Amino acid sequence: DVKVTQSSRYLVKRTGEKVFLECVQDMDHENMFWYRQDPGLGLRLIYFSYDVKMKEKGDIPEGYSVSREKKERFSLILESASTNQTSMYLCASSLIEVRGNQPQHFGDGTRLSIL
Amino acid sequence: AQSVAQPEDQVNVAEGNPLTVKCTYSVSGNPYLFWYVQYPNRGLQFLLKYITGDNLVKGSYGFEAEFNKSQTSFHLKKPSALVSDSALYFCAVKTGANNLFFGTGTRLTVIP
Repeated sequence: DVKVTQSSRYLVKRTGEKVFLECVQDMDHENMFWYRQDPGLGLRLIYFSYDVKMKEKGDIPEGYSVSREKKERFSLILESASTNQTSMYLCASSLIEVRGNQPQHFGDGTRLSIL
Repeated sequence: AQSVAQPEDQVNVAEGNPLTVKCTYSVSGNPYLFWYVQYPNRGLQFLLKYITGDNLVKGSYGFEAEFNKSQTSFHLKKPSALVSDSALYFCAVKTGANNLFFGTGTRLTVIP
């Protein structure tokens, strides 16, 4: 089974801090994704990466950046945390899309609180 | 633009009864549709997908989904609900080459 591991289940940080969320997958997947999940809004894509050192903006990239130095690891960075970034963050990975039918595999999420 | 809608925030069903969780979609071209489930304090788990072929798709845990092109719907179904099916369910549609657009989710509660 695919395993996507997020380094922290719960995290509390202060406004203005630089925050790193880490995600590692063990199945050699090319694609990796970062989402945030908020009640009533579902999942919204922040950034994704389809290869090492490659990144693409999703629907809500403002205030975030990402890093993918190795294939198995995809980091989400909050440059200067703000209270409106309090949320559940989900990482996912998938094989490269050939016919658009590869499911994404998710980690258990990081619940981030910004005080 | 591709999108999905889940018209019900909450669905309640008695244990043993059939359940339906609704999803409608809007896409240009052929739709690639997915259902995911999220249990408390967990990430999303893939249930099933529709790419092409039979309109009735079977997935994990006894779930199935019916693709209806004329109604642009992809409703999730199960003949007999279990209390353990209580969870948050998300419909999603493929957008672009790699991405999914998720609906806002439907919370299913199965009442013993």
